[in-house]
Amino acid sequence: EAGVVQSPRYKIIEKKQPVAFWCNPISGHNTLYWYLQNLGQGPELLIRYENEEAVDDSQLPKDRFSAERLKGVDSTLKIQPAELGDSAVYLCASSLRSGESTEAFFGQGTRLTVV
Amino acid sequence: EDQVTQSPEALRLQEGESSSLNCSYTVSGLRGLFWYRQDPGKGPEFLFTLYSAGEEKEKERLKATLTKKESFLHITAPKPEDSATYLCAVRTRFRGGSEKLVFGKGMKLTVNP
Repeated sequence: EAGVVQSPRYKIIEKKQPVAFWCNPISGHNTLYWYLQNLGQGPELLIRYENEEAVDDSQLPKDRFSAERLKGVDSTLKIQPAELGDSAVYLCASSLRSGESTEAFFGQGTRLTVV
Repeated sequence: EDQVTQSPEALRLQEGESSSLNCSYTVSGLRGLFWYRQDPGKGPEFLFTLYSAGEEKEKERLKATLTKKESFLHITAPKPEDSATYLCAVRTRFRGGSEKLVFGKGMKLTVNP
C-alpha cells in the first residue's frame, strides 16, 4: 500500500515568491494534516481537514498561507509571498479519522528554503 | 496550555547499552500518546500508541510504557540502526470538541558500534 506522497521533496525560492506543496494521502484516510517542522523541533500543526472541510486552522498564518483539499482527497498548501522565516520542512500526514485516537502516517516532507 | 517535554534532548549509547527515553506531558484530556521515529530527511514513522496508564507495547528492541504523567521508551541492547530522532506526541481534546496532536521536540539517539 502506498504511503502519504508529497511533492516536491525540495524547493528553493527567493523571498516574496509564491510556492505550493502537494499531498496525496493514504487511500481511504478521511483526515489530512499539514505540519511545519523547524530544525531540531517537533512538528507543529498548521491545518487539519476532515474530508474536504478544514476543521482546525487556528495555527495557519492566513495572511500568507492558504490550503485546500478539493474532493476530500489530495491537498495543496500555498505560501504567497514567502518570507525567509518560512524555511522549514512541511509535512503532510493522514489518518483514517479523528475523534478517536488513530495514528497519523506522515509523508517524506517538502524542505523549503527561502533565500 | 498543553505541553509535551522530552528528555534528554540527545543521547549517545554504545551498541548493547540499554537506556530509556522520557516523555512527560501536561494536557487536558489525554486521548492517546504516540511514539514516532524520524530518520534524517524523512517524515516521522509511527511506532506505538498508548491509551491508558499501565499500558505497555513492544516492538523488537523497543518497549513503550505509560503512566498518568509520562511515557518511557525503553531501548534494550540497541544497535546502530536504532540511531534516529524519537518523537513523542499526545492527542488532546481541543476547543469545540476537536482534537489536536501536540509533539515534543524529539530526542536524538546515536548508537555507536
